[in-house]
Amino acid sequence: KAGVTQTPRYLIKTRGQQVTLSCSPISGHRSVSWYQQTPGQGLQFLFEYFSETQRNKGNFPGRFSGRQFSNSRSEMNVSTLELGDSALYLCASSLVGPDSSSKQYFGPGTRLTVT
Amino acid sequence: SQQGEEDPQALSIQEGENATMNCSYKTSINNLQWYRQNSGRGLVHLILIRSNEREKHSGRLRVTLDTSKKSSSLLITASRAADTASYFCATDHGYSGGGADGLTFGKGTHLIIQP
Repeated sequence: KAGVTQTPRYLIKTRGQQVTLSCSPISGHRSVSWYQQTPGQGLQFLFEYFSETQRNKGNFPGRFSGRQFSNSRSEMNVSTLELGDSALYLCASSLVGPDSSSKQYFGPGTRLTVT
Repeated sequence: SQQGEEDPQALSIQEGENATMNCSYKTSINNLQWYRQNSGRGLVHLILIRSNEREKHSGRLRVTLDTSKKSSSLLITASRAADTASYFCATDHGYSGGGADGLTFGKGTHLIIQP
């Protein structure tokens, strides 16, 4: 099976712009989670989607949003970019049902640099 | 918010030696997972231990969990240069309808294996 893929791998944007990142989960995985990784804050949970519904959301401002499509592919969007949004954005998929937990399979990440 | 905290932050040992990393957390968990990350890339799942388990083995890895102390340890035996990476513990608290749960990661232990 192909692993989790994320596009693009690298991105440079300017403050004030918006960006959309894409994630394709492992075939059959219906849960997709997004994480932000920075040197200062480490890995932080952004949100999780299951069957096109956002199930959980971390403590991030409303500029961060996401969605999931019927084929489980997911996108996240960051509007009005700030310098502090520079980070590695990681997507993870897992094979879970609504009431169970499972290990997560991570993609290689998208390195976003905001200048 | 960060919950798992790894100790030490960095560890440098000679190839062939054993490496031990510790993780502490604050609130009850469904399970605890360990991940490895090589130099700014995606995370790779190593092992998952459920809250009702005390010890688990996988190849050269041994994980222990003490729920009374809210701590876990990861032991890598007979280390190799290829084990050089950052290691993260992640706590899974389950989903609490509307909560901001996901996997909560610590800041990691950076392990360097000297050849």
